Amino acid sequence: GENVEQHPSTLSVQEGDSAVIKCTYSDSASNYFPWYKQELGKGPQLIIDIRSNVGEKKDQRIAVTLNKTAKHFSLHITETQPEDSAVYFCAASGAQTSGSRLTFGEGTQLTVNP
Amino acid sequence: DTAVSQTPKYLVTQMGNDKSIKCEQNLGHDTMYWYKQDSKKFLKIMFSYNNKELIINETVPNRFSPKSPDKAHLNLHINSLELGDSAVYFCASSQVSAPGTFGSGTRLTVV
Repeated sequence: GENVEQHPSTLSVQEGDSAVIKCTYSDSASNYFPWYKQELGKGPQLIIDIRSNVGEKKDQRIAVTLNKTAKHFSLHITETQPEDSAVYFCAASGAQTSGSRLTFGEGTQLTVNP
Repeated sequence: DTAVSQTPKYLVTQMGNDKSIKCEQNLGHDTMYWYKQDSKKFLKIMFSYNNKELIINETVPNRFSPKSPDKAHLNLHINSLELGDSAVYFCASSQVSAPGTFGSGTRLTVV
């Protein structure tokens, strides 16, 4: 089955700096890679996703890159703000059909210091 | 107008009891899920239903039984609760296989 590794487990940055979280996956058949943000006491919230036919995707201060050859993908947050502090999860799954499942990384606790 | 709502938010119960967690989504999604998040924040899928049909059943004890009366509801019943069942359980839904919307979670504590 799929195995997703995520690094670092904790990340502390100063407000305004950039933050990068990296994930690797094992199953070359995986083709969908979402990122989730989980704030304290809440459920994970999808913030951005990328499919394997795309190398990079950007949404305002958030961007995700995918290297299919190396089987890794990364989340980039620029101009970080204190409200970006949360746990971030990467995930990978196969074809977007019924029966495929998400495998999550172990999460990264991001702290943005004012 | 909560998209995915689950109840209760907190559940404290004794070992050996039977309990249920309810989940409802008003997004019109075809697929619903139950996830378990342990104390280390690790998220693992338990079940997935598509249009009331079970499509994913991970290796969970058969004390856990999901029930989907219609595609907007997916409830989780747990028999003979054990200490190790303590966790946060999340319901989620999506239109395709990857859940886009999670509920706010049910923190289950077994004492």
